[in-house]
Amino acid sequence: DAGVTQSPTHLIKTRGQQVTLRCSPISGHKSVSWYQQVLGQGPQFIFQYYEKEERGRGNFPDRFSARQFPNYSSELNVNALLLGDSALYLCASSLQGRETQYFGPGTRLLVL
Amino acid sequence: KNQVEQSPQSLIILEGKNCTLQCNYTVSPFSNLRWYKQDTGRGPVSLTIMTFSENTKSNGRYTATLDADTKQSSLHITASQLSDSASYICVVSAVGTYKYIFGTGTRLKVLA
Repeated sequence: DAGVTQSPTHLIKTRGQQVTLRCSPISGHKSVSWYQQVLGQGPQFIFQYYEKEERGRGNFPDRFSARQFPNYSSELNVNALLLGDSALYLCASSLQGRETQYFGPGTRLLVL
Repeated sequence: KNQVEQSPQSLIILEGKNCTLQCNYTVSPFSNLRWYKQDTGRGPVSLTIMTFSENTKSNGRYTATLDADTKQSSLHITASQLSDSASYICVVSAVGTYKYIFGTGTRLKVLA
């Protein structure tokens, strides 16, 4: 079975632009979480979705938004990009949200 | 404020030696604690998960301990291998929340 997949793998944007990152969970998993990991630090929780509903949100500005589709895949959108948004964005899936999370390889975003 | 602190920040050991990584947390009320291994440029992979009632859990050469009274956990790696070189991240979640608090990780380097 395929693990969690994310696209694109790498992305370069300029300040002020908008970006959309995509995540496909493991088959049968209904919960998807998004994390931001800045170089040298641990991941920071952004969102968790379950059954298309937002169940949790971290301390991120409204420029960050996400949604989950009926097939449980998810998109993370970031508007008005700042240099500080440069990071590895990780997606993790689990059956319902409280169990072990399985992480994807991440999308590395560079904002110039 | 819910926090997770790890020590040491980095560690270098020789192949075959044992090592112990520490995690202190202030997350309350405590739900569970997980240890993840993250190779450079990749998503974290779960090693162990422990709830309040569990004191120790093993996964091969990895053994995690939990003292919920002192809010401390440790990850012991036995007979280290070169492939153990990675960042080890402690993650704590609180009851009634879907938010996971990640530590900044311990970067382990195993030398031949």
